Amino acid sequence: QKEVEQNSGPLSVPEGAIASLNCTYSDRGSQSFFWYRQYSGKSPELIMSIYSNGDKEDGRFTAQLNKASQYVSLLIRDSQPSDSATYLCAVTGDGQNFVFGPGTRLSVLP
Amino acid sequence: EAQVTQNPRYLITVTGKKLTVTCSQNMNHEYMSWYRQDPGLGLRQIYYSMNVEVTDKGDVPEGYKVSRKEKRNFPLILESPSPNQTSLYFCASSSLSGGTYNEQFFGPGTRLTVL
Repeated sequence: QKEVEQNSGPLSVPEGAIASLNCTYSDRGSQSFFWYRQYSGKSPELIMSIYSNGDKEDGRFTAQLNKASQYVSLLIRDSQPSDSATYLCAVTGDGQNFVFGPGTRLSVLP
Repeated sequence: EAQVTQNPRYLITVTGKKLTVTCSQNMNHEYMSWYRQDPGLGLRQIYYSMNVEVTDKGDVPEGYKVSRKEKRNFPLILESPSPNQTSLYFCASSSLSGGTYNEQFFGPGTRLTVL
C-alpha cells in the first residue's frame, strides 16, 4: 500500500512568519509531487509541482524535494491570514495512480 | 476556458433513489478520478480511470459505479444511495506526459445529502 504522510496539524504561525509543511512518501518509484491548497468546502487548487531534487521557488512558496529521504516540503514565506487553509501533498509515479496525504491544516494568526 | 465541470453542485435525495453525478473536462485529459471528502478525513479516492474504457477501484469504491465511454466524461453513479454516502464529492482530471501524470485539475464539488 503506497502511503503519503503529513502532520495533520493544526500548524499555527504568526503573520509574516515562515510556515513549513512536510510530507513523506513510501514509494521510491514516485516521480511527481504536488502541493495543493484547499479552503474549507472548496476544491483543491495547485500551489506547486516539483519533479527533481532540490528547491523550486514561486513567489512566496518554495517546494523542496529529497528523493533519497522520500521527503517533500512546502515553505510559505511572509505568511498571510489568507494562507490559512489545508495543504495537501500528492504523489504519483510512472503511469501510476495519484496518492494524497491527509493534509495539514495551517492557521496564520494576525 | 479549461475546466472540470460537475453537475449537480448540490443534491438532496432519499435513501435508495438512484442518482448520477456528471463530470466533464474539456482539456482532453487521459486521467479522471472521483474523490469524496468528509470532515476530518481528507480526500478519499472512489474510482479512477487512466483512459477510455479503463476504470479501477480507489480506496472507497463500495456503493458506487463509474463508466468512461468517452474521454471527456466520467459519471459517478449511486445505484442505491445510503445516508453514509452523504459527502462532498470532487471530480478531477490530469494529462499524461512522458509516461507520467501532470497535476490534477479539480471540479467545483458536489455536495450530496442522502436522507
